[in-house]
Amino acid sequence: GEDVEQSLFLSVREGDSSVINCTYTDSSSTYLYWYKQEPGAGLQLLTYIFSNMDMKQDQRLTVLLNKKDKHLSLRIADTQTGDSAIYFCAESTPGNQFYFGTGTSLTVIP
Amino acid sequence: EAGVAQSPRYKIIEKRQSVAFWCNPISGHATLYWYQQILGQGPKLLIQFQNNGVVDDSQLPKDRFSAERLKGVDSTLKIQPAKLEDSAVYLCASSPTGTRDKNIQYFGAGTRLSVL
Repeated sequence: GEDVEQSLFLSVREGDSSVINCTYTDSSSTYLYWYKQEPGAGLQLLTYIFSNMDMKQDQRLTVLLNKKDKHLSLRIADTQTGDSAIYFCAESTPGNQFYFGTGTSLTVIP
Repeated sequence: EAGVAQSPRYKIIEKRQSVAFWCNPISGHATLYWYQQILGQGPKLLIQFQNNGVVDDSQLPKDRFSAERLKGVDSTLKIQPAKLEDSAVYLCASSPTGTRDKNIQYFGAGTRLSVL
C-alpha cells in the first residue's frame, strides 16, 4: 500500500494555533482528507481537499497542500480543549482506494 | 440522516473462537468498507464492496476472515478462528455514489474486539 506518515504527538496551549503535518507517497492521489477521532468513537470527517487545489479554509480549519513535496497540513486556529483527539490524514487514489496515516494525537493544555 | 450503525460495540472472545460483526450503512450508499484499526495505528482497509460485489479484498486474511453483503445493504464481517493479533477496532464506513461525493467516507463508531 501507499505510505502516509504523520508525527505521533502534538501539544499546544488553549487559544494557540495547531499545525498537524502529513506526507504521502502517491502522486496520483485524487483527494486528501483530515479525519478526527475521539476516544471510543469512529472517524469524523473534518475537511478534504481536491488534489488540484493548494489551500482550503473552513472556519477555524485551514488545509494546505504542497503537491510537489507531497505534503499536507491542517491548521486549527484558536485551539480549544474540545479539539483534543487523534487526527488522521488520508488519501484516495483514482481507483478509489483509501490509505490512512498513523494519526497525530493532539493534546490541548488549558 | 442516520449514520453508519455497527454492532456490537464491544466483544471479548477467547482465541480460536468465532465472532461476527454487523454494519448497516447510510441509506442509499452503494459503497461499504470494513477497516481494521489496531491500537496506535491508522485504519487498514480489509474489504470494499460496491453494492453486493467485492471491489477490493487484497488485504483481507482470507484463511480466517470473511465478509458478505448479500443484498447490497447490510454487511457482516466474520473471523473464524480468531487469533490474539486480531484484537483491534473494526470500523465500517460507507460512501455515496455521486461523482462529487463518491470519495467521502462516513464511519460508524466501530466494534472493539479483544481476543484473550
